[in-house]
Amino acid sequence: NAGVTQTPKFRVLKTGQSMTLLCAQDMNHEYMYWYRQDPGMGLRLIHYSVGEGTTAKGEVPDGYNVSRLKKQNFLLGLESAAPSQTSVYFCASSYPPNPDRGLNQPQHFGDGTRLSIL
Amino acid sequence: DAKTTQPNSMESNEEEPVHLPCNHSTISGTDYIHWYRQLPSQGPEYVIHGLTSNVNNRMASLAIAEDRKSSTLILHRATLRDAAVYYCILGGSNYKLTFGKGTLLTVNP
Repeated sequence: NAGVTQTPKFRVLKTGQSMTLLCAQDMNHEYMYWYRQDPGMGLRLIHYSVGEGTTAKGEVPDGYNVSRLKKQNFLLGLESAAPSQTSVYFCASSYPPNPDRGLNQPQHFGDGTRLSIL
Repeated sequence: DAKTTQPNSMESNEEEPVHLPCNHSTISGTDYIHWYRQLPSQGPEYVIHGLTSNVNNRMASLAIAEDRKSSTLILHRATLRDAAVYYCILGGSNYKLTFGKGTLLTVNP
C-alpha cells in the first residue's frame, strides 16, 4: 500500500500563476484534508472533505479551492499564487469519526509538497 | 477549543525512556487526547490516543492524569529514529485536529 501520495513533491511558481496539488489515497478513507505548515508553526487546516463530491472550509481557506470528484483523490488549487502561500502542504486522510473510538480517527499523512512562490 | 501546553524542546539519550508532558487544563469530558509526531521532512504520523485510561501500543504508552488535566507520552527506549516534533492534540466532538507547535525531541547517541 502506498498510503497517501502527494504530487508534486516540489514546485516553484511565479506570483499570479496557478497550479493544482494532487493527493491520492489507497486506504478507502472517506475523509480527506489539506493542511499547510509554515516555519516554526504547527499545521493549519485549509479545506477538508467528508466524502466524494463534498468539501468544506478549514481554518485558512482564502486563496485556495478544492475538489473531491473521486473518493481517492483530493485536489488543492491555487488560482493566483501569492508569496504568502509559500509553504509546505500536507494532505491527510482518515476513516469517518467513530463514537466508540473517540470520534477523531487517526489521520494518515503524505510526505508533503514544498511550494515556493516568487 | 481546549488548548494544550507542551515544552518547546526536550533532550534524551538513546535507549533511555522519554516522558513527554502535555498540559490541557481546559479539557472537556468528551475530548480524547491524541499524539502525533513529525520526523524531519515528513508528514505527521499518528502515535497514540486515549480518553481516561492509560493506553499502550507498539510505539508508545500514554499516561493520563486522574483529573485529565495533563498527560504524558512515554517512549520506553528512545532511538535515534524517535527524534521528531511531538504534538499533543485534543479531539472532541469533531474530526478536525488542531496542531500546535509541539515539542522538539532530540535523541543523543
